[in-house]
Amino acid sequence: AQSVAQPEDQVNVAEGNPLTVKCTYSVSGNPYLFWYVQYPNRGLQFLLKYITGDNLVKGSYGFEAEFNKSQTSFHLKKPSALVSDSALYFCAVRPPNTDKLIFGTGTRLQVFP
Amino acid sequence: GAVVSQHPSWVICKSGTSVKIECRSLDFQATTMFWYRQFPKQSLMLMATSNEGSKATYEQGVEKDKFLINHASLTLSTLTVTSAHPEDSSFYICSAPGFEAFFGQGTRLTVV
Repeated sequence: AQSVAQPEDQVNVAEGNPLTVKCTYSVSGNPYLFWYVQYPNRGLQFLLKYITGDNLVKGSYGFEAEFNKSQTSFHLKKPSALVSDSALYFCAVRPPNTDKLIFGTGTRLQVFP
Repeated sequence: GAVVSQHPSWVICKSGTSVKIECRSLDFQATTMFWYRQFPKQSLMLMATSNEGSKATYEQGVEKDKFLINHASLTLSTLTVTSAHPEDSSFYICSAPGFEAFFGQGTRLTVV
């Protein structure tokens, strides 16, 4: 079965430190990969996507993600975390030939001052 | 980017009543719309896909008679929770397909 895993329910990081939110996937073919952020009682906001090309993708608000095909991973990163980055982050995969997204379970990022 | 507007953002209703949630694509036409349900501290569960001009496609395990989905026009899709019960309380989100997918703001439904 196709799936997306976010192994960490929560990630805690001090402001100014680098952050990583992990994502691995199990999807056949060459899927499209996405990261979204959700603030309380809000919809999802798009952060970045990987379609093809350079494995390091840069997105909104200083976030970036690294695609690793051999490890089927797409980890979200930011060099210097802000308190305002605290939110719920979802990794998602769109398998080939479909518009449907498969979401991970989400990782809550908490950035402490 | 494209804008999807979802209304209402929150609603409280009595058990046994029906609630309608609207999702509009403001600056583009959407022939399909995805409806998700999100439980606390959990991921998004795809409930169904509305299709303009035809019946909605429901995911396995989703009650079609409980969650009525209609795609009235190229800019409007609706989800009606019929005879709502407390267990239907949840956060519902619509999304228009696209490379990035465009999400509505979500609707917090509380059934009392």
